[in-house]
Amino acid sequence: DGGITQSPKYLFRKEGQNVTLSCEQNLNHDAMYWYRQDPGQGLRLIYYSQIVNDFQKGDIAEGYSVSREKKESFPLTVTSAQKNPTAFYLCASSMEPSGIQETQYFGPGTRLLVL
Amino acid sequence: DQQVKQNSPSLSVQEGRISILNCDYTNSMFDYFLWYKKYPAEGPTFLISISSIKDKNEDGRFTVFLNKSAKHLSLHIVPSQPGDSAVYFCAASATTSGTYKYIFGTGTRLKVLA
Repeated sequence: DGGITQSPKYLFRKEGQNVTLSCEQNLNHDAMYWYRQDPGQGLRLIYYSQIVNDFQKGDIAEGYSVSREKKESFPLTVTSAQKNPTAFYLCASSMEPSGIQETQYFGPGTRLLVL
Repeated sequence: DQQVKQNSPSLSVQEGRISILNCDYTNSMFDYFLWYKKYPAEGPTFLISISSIKDKNEDGRFTVFLNKSAKHLSLHIVPSQPGDSAVYFCAASATTSGTYKYIFGTGTRLKVLA
């Protein structure tokens, strides 16, 4: 089945630790996205990538880093510089990059908690 | 500055009746809108979309209406079912902006009462 997978489902981070969230898609989509959801808030864009080896900062990129070495993979690293990392992280993908009205499809999410 | 607003954090509706979820936006460049449904601890699932060249789009029990002059869209669910109980997000995009980004509202929690 085609889809987007995120792992792990739950992740615990110690103070000062970097952690990496995995996102893989087998939909052959060009564009991938990372969002963060906090209670009572909408989804806020962290980073997005419209093509392999290229990515752009979203609205809340500080304290995060990404890479896009393969079309199907878009891992997100939450660095120690992110002071409030506890949230639900969602990865999404869409078929075409900019300029086309394309639906974004979401993975099941990773909940990150700070110990 | 919240460019996409869902001013009702929650809504309760009796099973079989109509659910109307509202969304307002401020950016006149937005020309494509989507509605997503989200269950707890899961990713959002796409429901329905509408382009700014239309004022209505229908898919089964779900209809989205767009009023460009008022910068307002609404999602109608008829008839509402208990399985529709979830958080609903609207999202907007300015597809002519050169970047493909969606701005999401804060969500409305719908509870359909049996």
